[in-house]
Amino acid sequence: GAVVSQHPSRVICKSGTSVKIECRSLDFQATTMFWYRQFPKKSLMLMATSNEGSKATYEQGVEKDKFLINHASLTLSTLTVTSAHPEDSSFYICSAIFPETNEKLFFGSGTQLSVL
Amino acid sequence: DAKTTQPTSMDCAEGRAANLPCNHSTISGNEYVYWYRQIHSQGPQYIIHGLKNNETNEMASLIITEDRKSSTLILPHATLRDTAVYYCIVRVNRDDKIIFGKGTRLHILP
Repeated sequence: GAVVSQHPSRVICKSGTSVKIECRSLDFQATTMFWYRQFPKKSLMLMATSNEGSKATYEQGVEKDKFLINHASLTLSTLTVTSAHPEDSSFYICSAIFPETNEKLFFGSGTQLSVL
Repeated sequence: DAKTTQPTSMDCAEGRAANLPCNHSTISGNEYVYWYRQIHSQGPQYIIHGLKNNETNEMASLIITEDRKSSTLILPHATLRDTAVYYCIVRVNRDDKIIFGKGTRLHILP
């Protein structure tokens, strides 16, 4: 079964609205989670690293005020796309590292965001 | 930037072994080689990883050269469901962020 649960799987919203994506770790506690975005037929691009109880570390070129990340507990990290625009339409994927699983990185099933 | 290079695409006949190469010539002594695959519109799936020795699990085998500058992922009996993009990644430790390269798009032909 899935070790990382991501919700929703698909969301369509109007331009200017905010969208929250949840990433939950099941069975294990995740001190570190990563958020990626992926455009069609392109590779995954790391957006930020989320550590429980501290501020997220964003990759160069990723606007932290645009993509708000909260990792308030060991089992939940959220990504909020604020004031979404059509260019934010993308496939967003979260992942988590579980020390108990021999350093494997597990991924959520992804969220397809479409901004109209 | 990704630390690995892979062919853009490969074809393999169904039932045959699929051998996917990966070059990681700048790999450090404490970096592991990980393989993931991504089926269309899904999150990546872990396949296998290794440090120095060859590894095998229920999904695949990983062959790492003695100098560790390259590796090969082997799917012993490819099926149509193995059609996916395969990513080869190197990373140091459990907290090291993972940077994806472009991967290899594997087509399994019936």
